[in-house]
Amino acid sequence: DADVTQTPRNRITKTGKRIMLECSQTKGHDRMYWYRQDPGLGLRLIYYSFDVKDINKGEISDGYSVSRQAQAKFSLSLESAIPNQTALYFCATSDLEFGGEETQYFGPGTRLLVL
Amino acid sequence: DAKTTQPPSMDCAEGRAANLPCNHSTISGNEYVYWYRQIHSQGPQYIIHGLKNNETNEMASLIITEDRKSSTLILPHATLRDTAVYYCIVRGSGTYKYIFGTGTRLKVLA
Repeated sequence: DADVTQTPRNRITKTGKRIMLECSQTKGHDRMYWYRQDPGLGLRLIYYSFDVKDINKGEISDGYSVSRQAQAKFSLSLESAIPNQTALYFCATSDLEFGGEETQYFGPGTRLLVL
Repeated sequence: DAKTTQPPSMDCAEGRAANLPCNHSTISGNEYVYWYRQIHSQGPQYIIHGLKNNETNEMASLIITEDRKSSTLILPHATLRDTAVYYCIVRGSGTYKYIFGTGTRLKVLA
């Protein structure tokens, strides 16, 4: 979805380096998410944020941190990258709708390789 | 959150309807069924969702059984571009969680 952008799209880094993945959205949504996907598997939630002052850990947050700089921006950092963080990373946004519906819209992904 | 069960793979002839099943036998009354697809490592794309009633949009139809324990996503006229992994997700009202399983890999054959 062009309304959710991720940079960079591809990144190669070395073990121990700090890197940041960025996500921006123009959908005006309050909620933002970071997921990772390993080959052949579904997506797993790393962190999520319901508004600018809200940060929550997902199921696999160890080794990651996030920053919600503005409603439209949500960054994921790997403080000291390790090879098993090699994966596809997706950002998503959503709003809680009337009736409890919540459709998440995903960015194009960042392919990260940690050597 | 209710779990879902999908066949790992399916084939469909181009131009025919693709019917993708999903079992969610532990679904509770306020949980929605969502369908997404992922084309070759791109970001998951929203297709459709529903609670009780059947739903249709420009992409697909969603048929939910009366007991809500299973559903079927129907792509009425599959094209080669519909080749993707399709995820059925059950999500409760008021919870943020989307639990992705391994999905169904649909291959549309020419």
